[in-house]
Amino acid sequence: DVKVTQSSRYLVKRTGEKVFLECVQDMDHENMFWYRQDPGLGLRLIYFSYDVKMKEKGDIPEGYSVSREKKERFSLILESASTNQTSMYLCASSLSDSLYNEQFFGPGTRLTVL
Amino acid sequence: RKEVEQDPGPFNVPEGATVAFNCTYSNSASQSFFWYRQDCRKEPKLLMSVYSSGNEDGRFTAQLNRASQYISLLIRDSKLSDSATYLCAVRGGYQKVTFGTGTKLQVIP
Repeated sequence: DVKVTQSSRYLVKRTGEKVFLECVQDMDHENMFWYRQDPGLGLRLIYFSYDVKMKEKGDIPEGYSVSREKKERFSLILESASTNQTSMYLCASSLSDSLYNEQFFGPGTRLTVL
Repeated sequence: RKEVEQDPGPFNVPEGATVAFNCTYSNSASQSFFWYRQDCRKEPKLLMSVYSSGNEDGRFTAQLNRASQYISLLIRDSKLSDSATYLCAVRGGYQKVTFGTGTKLQVIP
């Protein structure tokens, strides 16, 4: 079974803190994604990566950065957390050899910024 | 106009009923289409891909209408266990997938 794991299920941080969210996949997938999910807004893509050290902005990259130093690991960084970044963060991964490749999601990290 | 739009529902249907959801997309160059299922407080999981010719998986049928730019999901003989939020997803270019906000289904005994 494909497994995507995220470092924390719940996280509480203070405004202005630097926050790291880690995601690891064990199926040698080329593509990795970070989404946030908010009520009424659905899943919105923050960043994705199609290879080690490669990254592409998604629809809402402002306030976030990412790092992919190894194929299996994709990190999301909030340089200075703000209250409007309180959300559920979901990581996903997929292969890249087909238009119909499924995205596999991690269990999510619920981040609260106070 | 949003890239991918869904009726948020909720759709409340009795067990055994047939229910259908639509999802519209704005980018005519979209390449592939999916339905994901998300249970409460869980991550989304792929339900089925949607192929040009339409496809069926047991009680679930997915169809694509490129001319009108929508995909549909039909669930026959609804079960209590079908209660979930159904997300449509559309792949545009270069591995980027855009999700709809989801349609909530509640199957009632």
